[in-house]
Amino acid sequence: DSGVTQTPKHLITATGQRVTLRCSPRSGDLSVYWYQQSLDQGLQFLIQYYNGEERAKGNILERFSAQQFPDLHSELNLSSLELGDSALYFCASSARQRNTEAFFGQGTRLTVV
Amino acid sequence: DQQVKQNSPSLSVQEGRISILNCDYTNSMFDYFLWYKKYPAEGPTFLISISSIKDKNEDGRFTVFLNKSAKHLSLHIVPSQPGDSAVYFCAASARSRGGTSYGKLTFGQGTILTVHP
Repeated sequence: DSGVTQTPKHLITATGQRVTLRCSPRSGDLSVYWYQQSLDQGLQFLIQYYNGEERAKGNILERFSAQQFPDLHSELNLSSLELGDSALYFCASSARQRNTEAFFGQGTRLTVV
Repeated sequence: DQQVKQNSPSLSVQEGRISILNCDYTNSMFDYFLWYKKYPAEGPTFLISISSIKDKNEDGRFTVFLNKSAKHLSLHIVPSQPGDSAVYFCAASARSRGGTSYGKLTFGQGTILTVHP
């Protein structure tokens, strides 16, 4: 158990819908990251927050947004969903902003039908 | 443009022998490297890391070697055990340039390791 909690574990939704994925980091970790893993793309970095502020951004679609709240949990919002958004979404957390190991949650499997 | 490459999709090793997993990178701004292990339906689990100021880091059965001139790192597992069978990912973090790549990890495609009893 990494100490990072993601909910829900599975999500099935229709195209055009909006969903919210939630992540609770390890106790004491200030940095939260979101990654997407699809079959043909491997693990792709989406976004990083540190103590509530956005720190780094990857190739995150404009339809996707995230935030980190004062209690340090984070949410990833995916809107206008397309079939191609079906993937595993992982949250990770770390104590520092960089040059440090990140600990991953179990992931949320999103299926868009 | 794949900046971190694991050219071997799979590796099969006998229990007790050494497993060597390889990773190549192209971005000279990478200065911190990590290895993760992943089982199906689970998140990646951190194994070991190395800073670019070192060329070797050891933790129990796991040793990571970094060859900066060749832009190559490897993970050695000795001795290999059946429980080590999983997908192994190498990942790299770059020095920040304008704050755009701060804690971002760039992952390779993974190598499936199978350790036979």
